[in-house]
Amino acid sequence: EVQLVQSEAEVKKPGESLRISCKGSGYRFTSFWISWVRQMPGKGLEWMGKIDPVDSYTNYSPSFQGHVTISADKSISTAYLQWSSLKASDTATYYCARHWTGTSPLDDWGQGTLVSVSS
Amino acid sequence: EILLTQSPGTLSVSPGERATLSCRASQSVTSNYLAWYQQKPGQAPRLLIHDASSRATGVPDRFSGSGSGTDFTLTISGLEPEDFAVYYCQQYGSSPQTFGQGTKVEI
Repeated sequence: EVQLVQSEAEVKKPGESLRISCKGSGYRFTSFWISWVRQMPGKGLEWMGKIDPVDSYTNYSPSFQGHVTISADKSISTAYLQWSSLKASDTATYYCARHWTGTSPLDDWGQGTLVSVSS
Repeated sequence: EILLTQSPGTLSVSPGERATLSCRASQSVTSNYLAWYQQKPGQAPRLLIHDASSRATGVPDRFSGSGSGTDFTLTISGLEPEDFAVYYCQQYGSSPQTFGQGTKVEI
């Protein structure tokens, strides 16, 4: 069974750093890209960026470029989303999702990680 | 960046009825790489339709997608109680990938 299991919810303060994770199982991790999607409270879905775990090539939405970093460790089948300095506006649920190629739909999703940023 | 506009924002229907959801793109979607997702409260989105009209694995045939270029439609024939949710369209043919703002299907 294909699974994407994300790390637990986080509560952080503005200015703190954070890395959340997404572990794939039940499939060959390097055969699928991983995208990250943001959903702010009560709002819609926003695509943030994607990574090819084969070579860690990344592509970001201009809206998120420079604000987050996407990475992957193929040896442990895990992708990451990280911030160096969180803001209150980063409060959201973050989903990872896998897709077959760089231009294919998001066919399996993680359960989501809620990140709360407040002083 | 391709802007996707979904309409209506909220659709009120009864079980057994047909629901028609629209997604309009600001420019032509490359290769009709347009998907539809369903999201229920507290859950991750679920892929329903890809390539504008192909149902994902395990999706009931009451869900169908159509359209090309800039105008796309998701039709749910014979709404079941479990179909009441928010539906998003997404284009994945051009970077950055973009989502519509969603249509809520409610009773």
